[in-house]
Amino acid sequence: QSVLTQPPSASGTPGQRVTISCSGSSSNIGSKTVNWYQQLPGTAPKLLIYNNNQRPSGVPDRFSGSKSGTSASLAISGLQSEDEADYYCGTWDDSLNGRVFGGGTKLTVL
Amino acid sequence: EVQLVESGGGLVQPGGSLRLSCAASGFIFSNYWMDWVRQAPGKGLVWVSLINSDGSRTTYADSVKGRFTISRDNANNTLYLQMNSLRAEDTAVYYCARGEYGALGYWGHGTLVTVSS
Repeated sequence: QSVLTQPPSASGTPGQRVTISCSGSSSNIGSKTVNWYQQLPGTAPKLLIYNNNQRPSGVPDRFSGSKSGTSASLAISGLQSEDEADYYCGTWDDSLNGRVFGGGTKLTVL
Repeated sequence: EVQLVESGGGLVQPGGSLRLSCAASGFIFSNYWMDWVRQAPGKGLVWVSLINSDGSRTTYADSVKGRFTISRDNANNTLYLQMNSLRAEDTAVYYCARGEYGALGYWGHGTLVTVSS
């Protein structure tokens, strides 16, 4: 059971906009910034969004993040086949004194 | 170019020990906090441990506390994870990652640890 809660799956067709949610509590998302990671099949995770809504260099602006209260969301617009991957939210948890991740959301491009 | 290369994984019996290494290059290693994150086959990411830039502060997930020890050698740009009293549930790919802006900005390719008799 992960500390952060994500839907196990999401899907969309090419060109669509999809969102993935991440729910936490006051000890993590409610008081810390949220990061998002993309893991393409058979590869290591890659940082997609940091500090709730910042994109590292090289990440397309089709990817955006937001946070409100104890929840966060990742939005992907103009969905492409190469976006098919697992997506994880992550942050720090003050109660656990460590990093925490969501269980991951498998995005399928139909 | 930032590179993180893990090594040291393999097959070990329950109760055994293993030391993982992560060789860093392409950046000033001693400036960054570093983490270990693991992923069991077909499962999600689980944070294991982190160490601050000079090695004076370490934290661990409850599941590994007292069994795993994170350390670093800044002179040789290497991060370590000493794993003792290994259990079947420790079987996973272990990634080292560089901490920045509160996130894990760069990840290695991972090394597989299998705990089985």
